[in-house]
Amino acid sequence: RKEVEQDPGPFNVPEGATVAFNCTYSNSASQSFFWYRQDCRKEPKLLMSVYSSGNEDGRFTAQLNRASQYISLLIRDSKLSDSATYLCVVGGGADGLTFGKGTHLIIQP
Amino acid sequence: DTAVSQTPKYLVTQMGNDKSIKCEQNLGHDTMYWYKQDSKKFLKIMFSYNNKELIINETVPNRFSPKSPDKAHLNLHINSLELGDSAVYFCASSHLFPGELFFGEGSRLTVL
Repeated sequence: RKEVEQDPGPFNVPEGATVAFNCTYSNSASQSFFWYRQDCRKEPKLLMSVYSSGNEDGRFTAQLNRASQYISLLIRDSKLSDSATYLCVVGGGADGLTFGKGTHLIIQP
Repeated sequence: DTAVSQTPKYLVTQMGNDKSIKCEQNLGHDTMYWYKQDSKKFLKIMFSYNNKELIINETVPNRFSPKSPDKAHLNLHINSLELGDSAVYFCASSHLFPGELFFGEGSRLTVL
């Protein structure tokens, strides 16, 4: 059974701080990796894709560690608007994409 | 213009009824999906269609039947609704399979 595991949190973080969370996946053949963001009572939206070499988009950095089968998301200088649930998504092959249960992040003023 | 639109957004109905949720995408994508997000917020795939053909059919009750009249539409029909069917149902599409998913706003189904 293909699994994607995340710490559900919540992570309570003061505004301006740096926060990081990981996600582990069980299927070593996975080829696609993403972080999605879901606000309360809204649909998930793509935050960023995760590439083997790691990638950065503004305050957000994503890393992939294939040997240990985990991906990470780092948020620097956190803003109140970063409060959301962050979904780790892993995929490849015939099963499509598998979502983790999400990590709930709360940025406090 | 909404890229992936689904109707209705809210649906409240009695146990035993039959209901349908419609989904349309104007992105020109070949693949469409139905996901279910339950009260614990776990997002789980139900079905996926590629060019009107079923490619993923997860273990869901036979009461759930998807239908894709063309590659821009994927509807979900649910027979004999049960309390446990209460959830938010998200339609999504992607250009590639698997690929970046574009979600509709969700249809919140409440079964009384």
